[in-house]
Amino acid sequence: DGGITQSPKYLFRKEGQNVTLSCEQNLNHDAMYWYRQDPGQGLRLIYYSQIVNDFQKGDIAEGYSVSREKKESFPLTVTSAQKNPTAFYLCASAKTPQETQYFGPGTRLLVL
Amino acid sequence: KQEVTQIPAALSVPEGENLVLNCSFTDSAIYNLQWFRQDPGKGLTSLLLIQSSQREQTSGRLNASLDKSSGRSTLYIAASQPGDSATYLCAVARKTSGSRLTFGEGTQLTVNP
Repeated sequence: DGGITQSPKYLFRKEGQNVTLSCEQNLNHDAMYWYRQDPGQGLRLIYYSQIVNDFQKGDIAEGYSVSREKKESFPLTVTSAQKNPTAFYLCASAKTPQETQYFGPGTRLLVL
Repeated sequence: KQEVTQIPAALSVPEGENLVLNCSFTDSAIYNLQWFRQDPGKGLTSLLLIQSSQREQTSGRLNASLDKSSGRSTLYIAASQPGDSATYLCAVARKTSGSRLTFGEGTQLTVNP
């Protein structure tokens, strides 16, 4: 089955802790994206990558970091600098930036 | 800065009704406009993508139109069904920012049997 997977489904973070969200795709897409969704709101772009070993900040990158060492993987780290991390995190990929984005099932991050 | 607005924020209709969801955007320099569906607690599912040079796209009971000059798009759903209940999001791919998507806040649709 082709698609995008995200893990874990739920993640709990303690204060001062860094946590990493996984995103994997087997669609052979070059472009990958991370979005944050808060209740009742649209999606906001955190980071995106158009090619391996390259990524760009989105609209709300502060307190987050990413890497793109492999085409199929784009992990997101929520650092302790992100003071309000509770949200629903969505990963997406696209063949090219001008084409349809396909989304994973999301990870819900909660703070203990 | 691109801003995307969706009206109404919520809509409740009886089954079988035809309905229209609206999306407006402030900057007409776009590559395309996309409509997505989101079920509660789930990811987004792509419904339709309209390129900036196109006027409309159709898929089954869905028809999306684009008027780039006025900054408006509509999603028309024919003969609505309870299974259409979800949040519908529109997003525009900005030419000025490498095709990054800017999303509206969505319209929450409830179709009552």
